[in-house]
Amino acid sequence: GNSVTQMEGPVTLSEEAFLTINCTYTATGYPSLFWYVQYPGEGLQLLLKATKADDKGSNKGFEATYRKETTSFHLEKGSVQVSDSAVYFCALSDTGGFKTIFGAGTRLFVKA
Amino acid sequence: DSGVTQTPKHLITATGQRVTLRCSPRSGDLSVYWYQQSLDQGLQFLIQYYNGEERAKGNILERFSAQQFPDLHSELNLSSLELGDSALYFCASSVDPPGLVENTIYFGEGSWLTVV
Repeated sequence: GNSVTQMEGPVTLSEEAFLTINCTYTATGYPSLFWYVQYPGEGLQLLLKATKADDKGSNKGFEATYRKETTSFHLEKGSVQVSDSAVYFCALSDTGGFKTIFGAGTRLFVKA
Repeated sequence: DSGVTQTPKHLITATGQRVTLRCSPRSGDLSVYWYQQSLDQGLQFLIQYYNGEERAKGNILERFSAQQFPDLHSELNLSSLELGDSALYFCASSVDPPGLVENTIYFGEGSWLTVV
Protein backbone atom coordinates (compact mmCIF):
# COMPACT_ATOMS: atom_id res chain seq x y z
CA GLY A 1 0.00 0.00 0.00
CA ASN A 2 0.88 3.66 -0.11
CA SER A 3 3.21 5.01 2.55
CA VAL A 4 5.26 8.04 3.51
CA THR A 5 8.56 7.93 5.38
CA GLN A 6 10.09 10.99 6.98
CA MET A 7 13.38 11.52 8.70
CA GLU A 8 13.10 11.17 12.44
CA GLY A 9 13.37 14.21 14.61
CA PRO A 10 13.84 16.26 16.44
CA VAL A 11 15.95 18.43 14.22
CA THR A 12 17.69 21.26 16.06
CA LEU A 13 19.20 24.14 14.11
CA SER A 14 20.52 27.59 14.81
CA GLU A 15 18.80 30.58 13.27
CA GLU A 16 19.79 31.19 9.63
CA ALA A 17 20.93 27.59 9.14
CA PHE A 18 19.94 25.55 6.09
CA LEU A 19 17.12 23.09 6.60
CA THR A 20 16.45 19.78 4.88
CA ILE A 21 13.78 17.36 6.03
CA ASN A 22 13.78 14.18 3.99
CA CYS A 23 10.60 12.54 2.78
CA THR A 24 10.24 9.49 0.58
CA TYR A 25 7.08 7.79 -0.50
CA THR A 26 5.72 4.56 -1.89
CA ALA A 27 2.68 4.77 -4.09
CA THR A 28 1.05 3.24 -7.10
CA GLY A 29 0.09 5.66 -9.80
CA TYR A 30 0.78 9.37 -9.62
CA PRO A 31 0.01 10.85 -6.22
CA SER A 32 0.03 14.48 -5.22
CA LEU A 33 2.52 15.36 -2.51
CA PHE A 34 2.16 17.82 0.34
CA TRP A 35 3.98 19.32 3.27
CA TYR A 36 1.88 20.33 6.25
CA VAL A 37 3.11 22.26 9.28
CA GLN A 38 1.78 22.18 12.83
CA TYR A 39 2.76 25.09 15.05
CA PRO A 40 2.54 24.60 18.81
CA GLY A 41 -1.05 24.40 20.00
CA GLU A 42 -2.52 24.53 16.52
CA GLY A 43 -3.89 22.19 13.87
CA LEU A 44 -2.04 21.17 10.75
CA GLN A 45 -1.98 23.61 7.89
CA LEU A 46 -0.88 23.19 4.33
CA LEU A 47 2.62 24.56 3.69
CA LEU A 48 3.13 23.60 0.05
CA LYS A 49 2.17 21.01 -2.52
CA ALA A 50 3.16 19.50 -5.87
CA THR A 51 0.85 17.57 -8.12
CA LYS A 52 3.14 16.04 -10.74
CA ALA A 53 6.71 14.96 -11.28
CA ASP A 54 9.32 17.75 -11.33
CA ASP A 55 6.86 20.27 -9.91
CA LYS A 56 8.30 22.50 -7.22
CA GLY A 57 6.07 23.65 -4.40
CA SER A 58 7.10 26.74 -2.48
CA ASN A 59 5.76 28.93 0.30
CA LYS A 60 7.22 31.14 3.06
CA GLY A 61 10.77 30.40 1.87
CA PHE A 62 10.24 26.64 1.97
CA GLU A 63 10.60 24.54 -1.18
CA ALA A 64 10.14 20.91 -2.17
CA THR A 65 10.50 19.24 -5.56
CA TYR A 66 8.49 16.19 -6.60
CA ARG A 67 11.13 13.65 -7.72
CA LYS A 68 9.52 10.62 -9.23
CA GLU A 69 12.81 8.89 -10.05
CA THR A 70 13.84 8.88 -6.38
CA THR A 71 10.25 8.89 -4.98
CA SER A 72 11.17 11.84 -2.80
CA PHE A 73 9.77 15.20 -1.75
CA HIS A 74 12.38 16.71 0.54
CA LEU A 75 11.58 19.98 2.29
CA GLU A 76 14.24 22.71 2.22
CA LYS A 77 14.68 26.24 3.48
CA GLY A 78 17.77 28.31 3.01
CA SER A 79 17.67 30.24 6.29
CA VAL A 80 15.41 29.13 9.13
CA GLN A 81 13.97 31.41 11.78
CA VAL A 82 12.92 30.75 15.35
CA SER A 83 9.32 31.10 14.20
CA ASP A 84 9.77 28.05 11.94
CA SER A 85 9.90 25.82 15.02
CA ALA A 86 7.06 23.37 14.45
CA VAL A 87 6.27 19.81 13.42
CA TYR A 88 6.40 19.17 9.68
CA PHE A 89 4.38 16.40 8.04
CA CYS A 90 4.94 15.01 4.57
CA ALA A 91 1.81 13.58 2.96
CA LEU A 92 0.52 12.07 -0.23
CA SER A 93 -2.90 11.90 -1.80
CA ASP A 94 -3.47 8.88 -3.96
CA THR A 95 -5.05 8.84 -7.37
CA GLY A 96 -8.48 8.13 -5.97
CA GLY A 97 -8.35 11.23 -3.81
CA PHE A 98 -9.11 9.06 -0.83
CA LYS A 99 -7.47 9.18 2.52
CA THR A 100 -4.42 11.41 2.44
CA ILE A 101 -1.54 9.53 4.05
CA PHE A 102 0.76 11.37 6.45
CA GLY A 103 4.28 10.66 7.52
CA ALA A 104 5.12 10.49 11.22
CA GLY A 105 6.11 14.14 11.38
CA THR A 106 9.48 15.76 12.06
CA ARG A 107 9.84 18.22 14.90
CA LEU A 108 12.06 21.21 14.18
CA PHE A 109 13.58 23.37 16.89
CA VAL A 110 15.31 26.58 15.82
CA LYS A 111 17.54 28.29 18.40
CA ALA A 112 18.20 32.01 18.41
CA ASP B 1 -8.34 30.17 10.52
CA SER B 2 -8.88 27.05 8.38
CA GLY B 3 -12.66 27.27 8.46
CA VAL B 4 -12.98 23.89 10.17
CA THR B 5 -14.58 24.17 13.60
CA GLN B 6 -14.22 21.60 16.34
CA THR B 7 -15.87 21.43 19.74
CA PRO B 8 -15.06 21.05 22.53
CA LYS B 9 -11.47 22.28 22.54
CA HIS B 10 -10.66 20.51 25.77
CA LEU B 11 -12.37 17.63 27.53
CA ILE B 12 -11.49 15.70 30.66
CA THR B 13 -13.39 12.54 31.43
CA ALA B 14 -13.07 9.33 33.41
CA THR B 15 -12.25 5.85 32.18
CA GLY B 16 -15.27 3.92 30.98
CA GLN B 17 -17.14 7.04 29.94
CA ARG B 18 -18.36 8.08 26.51
CA VAL B 19 -17.75 11.38 24.76
CA THR B 20 -18.78 12.98 21.50
CA LEU B 21 -16.56 15.30 19.50
CA ARG B 22 -18.15 17.57 16.97
CA CYS B 23 -16.86 19.00 13.72
CA SER B 24 -18.17 21.53 11.23
CA PRO B 25 -16.31 21.39 7.92
CA ARG B 26 -15.39 24.32 5.73
CA SER B 27 -18.26 25.68 3.74
CA GLY B 28 -18.60 23.64 0.56
CA ASP B 29 -16.39 20.76 1.66
CA LEU B 30 -18.01 17.36 1.30
CA SER B 31 -15.36 15.19 2.91
CA VAL B 32 -14.69 15.03 6.61
CA TYR B 33 -11.74 13.20 8.13
CA TRP B 34 -10.92 12.28 11.70
CA TYR B 35 -7.36 11.88 12.94
CA GLN B 36 -5.89 11.00 16.31
CA GLN B 37 -2.60 12.50 17.36
CA SER B 38 -0.78 11.08 20.35
CA LEU B 39 2.83 11.28 21.47
CA ASP B 40 3.60 7.63 20.88
CA GLN B 41 1.50 6.95 17.76
CA GLY B 42 1.91 10.16 15.85
CA LEU B 43 -0.87 11.24 13.50
CA GLN B 44 -3.24 8.35 12.85
CA PHE B 45 -6.01 8.43 10.29
CA LEU B 46 -9.26 7.16 11.79
CA ILE B 47 -12.03 7.53 9.25
CA GLN B 48 -13.30 9.57 6.32
CA TYR B 49 -16.85 10.46 5.30
CA TYR B 50 -17.88 11.88 1.97
CA ASN B 51 -21.28 13.50 1.62
CA GLY B 52 -22.74 11.44 4.44
CA GLU B 53 -21.25 8.09 3.47
CA GLU B 54 -18.27 6.35 4.98
CA ARG B 55 -15.50 6.37 2.37
CA ALA B 56 -12.34 5.11 4.04
CA LYS B 57 -11.49 3.59 7.36
CA GLY B 58 -8.12 3.63 9.03
CA ASN B 59 -6.96 2.62 12.49
CA ILE B 60 -10.26 3.23 14.22
CA LEU B 61 -11.08 1.12 17.25
CA GLU B 62 -14.40 -0.68 17.49
CA ARG B 63 -15.17 1.44 20.58
CA PHE B 64 -15.10 4.49 18.33
CA SER B 65 -17.69 5.43 15.76
CA ALA B 66 -18.41 8.40 13.59
CA GLN B 67 -21.08 9.77 11.33
CA GLN B 68 -21.64 12.63 8.96
CA PHE B 69 -25.03 14.29 8.99
CA PRO B 70 -27.06 15.73 6.08
CA ASP B 71 -25.78 19.22 6.90
CA LEU B 72 -22.26 17.73 6.54
CA HIS B 73 -21.18 18.22 10.12
CA SER B 74 -19.65 15.18 11.72
CA GLU B 75 -19.42 13.61 15.14
CA LEU B 76 -16.86 11.21 16.52
CA ASN B 77 -18.13 9.06 19.38
CA LEU B 78 -15.62 7.51 21.74
CA SER B 79 -16.94 4.99 24.25
CA SER B 80 -15.59 2.82 27.06
CA LEU B 81 -12.74 5.24 27.27
CA GLU B 82 -9.32 4.09 28.38
CA LEU B 83 -6.32 6.05 29.57
CA GLY B 84 -4.60 5.36 26.26
CA ASP B 85 -7.33 7.20 24.40
CA SER B 86 -6.00 10.48 25.72
CA ALA B 87 -4.94 12.37 22.62
CA LEU B 88 -5.59 15.29 20.35
CA TYR B 89 -8.37 14.50 17.91
CA PHE B 90 -8.38 16.43 14.68
CA CYS B 91 -11.17 16.89 12.24
CA ALA B 92 -10.30 17.92 8.71
CA SER B 93 -12.26 18.61 5.59
CA SER B 94 -11.75 18.88 1.87
CA VAL B 95 -13.77 19.37 -1.28
CA ASP B 96 -12.63 16.00 -2.67
CA PRO B 97 -14.78 15.59 -5.76
CA PRO B 98 -14.50 12.14 -7.34
CA GLY B 99 -11.43 11.64 -9.47
CA LEU B 100 -9.52 14.64 -8.19
CA VAL B 101 -5.93 13.75 -7.42
CA GLU B 102 -4.94 17.02 -5.78
CA ASN B 103 -6.87 17.05 -2.55
CA THR B 104 -5.84 19.65 -0.01
CA ILE B 105 -7.07 18.90 3.48
CA TYR B 106 -7.87 21.66 5.95
CA PHE B 107 -7.54 20.89 9.63
CA GLY B 108 -9.39 22.16 12.64
CA GLU B 109 -7.52 23.10 15.79
CA GLY B 110 -8.33 19.82 17.45
CA SER B 111 -10.08 18.57 20.55
CA TRP B 112 -7.85 17.68 23.46
CA LEU B 113 -9.20 14.62 25.25
CA THR B 114 -7.77 13.64 28.61
CA VAL B 115 -8.98 10.41 30.17
CA VAL B 116 -8.28 10.12 33.88
